[in-house]
Amino acid sequence: GAVVSQHPSRVICKSGTSVKIECRSLDFQATTMFWYRQFPKQSLMLMATSNEGSKATYEQGVEKDKFLINHASLTLSTLTVTSAHPEDSSFYICSASTGDGGYTFGSGTRLTVV
Amino acid sequence: AQKITQTQPGMFVQEKEAVTLDCTYDTSDPSYGLFWYKQPSSGEMIFLIYQGSYDQQNATEGRYSLNFQKARKSANLVISASQLGDSAMYFCAMSPTGANSKLTFGKGITLSVRP
Repeated sequence: GAVVSQHPSRVICKSGTSVKIECRSLDFQATTMFWYRQFPKQSLMLMATSNEGSKATYEQGVEKDKFLINHASLTLSTLTVTSAHPEDSSFYICSASTGDGGYTFGSGTRLTVV
Repeated sequence: AQKITQTQPGMFVQEKEAVTLDCTYDTSDPSYGLFWYKQPSSGEMIFLIYQGSYDQQNATEGRYSLNFQKARKSANLVISASQLGDSAMYFCAMSPTGANSKLTFGKGITLSVRP
């Protein structure tokens, strides 16, 4: 089945630095990738939708300059958290549409900003 | 706009018993899909079951079945013969039919299976 590989699974960074999270579709072409953020015991909140070769569409309230999304190829989408602060600490997870109405998720990244 | 409502507080079930997790939804889309996902403490999202809005039969996948009542806009998940490994958070989600549509999630329900 369709698999999305997400890295890193955990990252700790210092406040003010940037962190890049990668999601790769391993055996299919992901024209659309969705990026979610999840706080403990809460739901997945959609941050943005990225389409290969075009600018990402951000949800209301999500800072596009802080959460940079790049989808330069059909198999790779990245989320960069710029100038991270402790309030950016969260679980970030990507999801790709498999084209048949289904979705496959990465394994998630736990970001801790200290 | 789409909305998924999961209002149950944390659920508890005895091992080997069945449990129903509730989900209601609201949408203006004429065609849509309903999904259930399991999220263990590791964080991965595990797809459980899918129901299309025009499917005549309720979906079943092993121990999982979806009680779809379109007129009531409900899509409850039934887990039969609960196992300890079923302890996790469960999310109901929906999307309009069509490639690359957004998936909207409910707030989730925590299920704990007691030995």
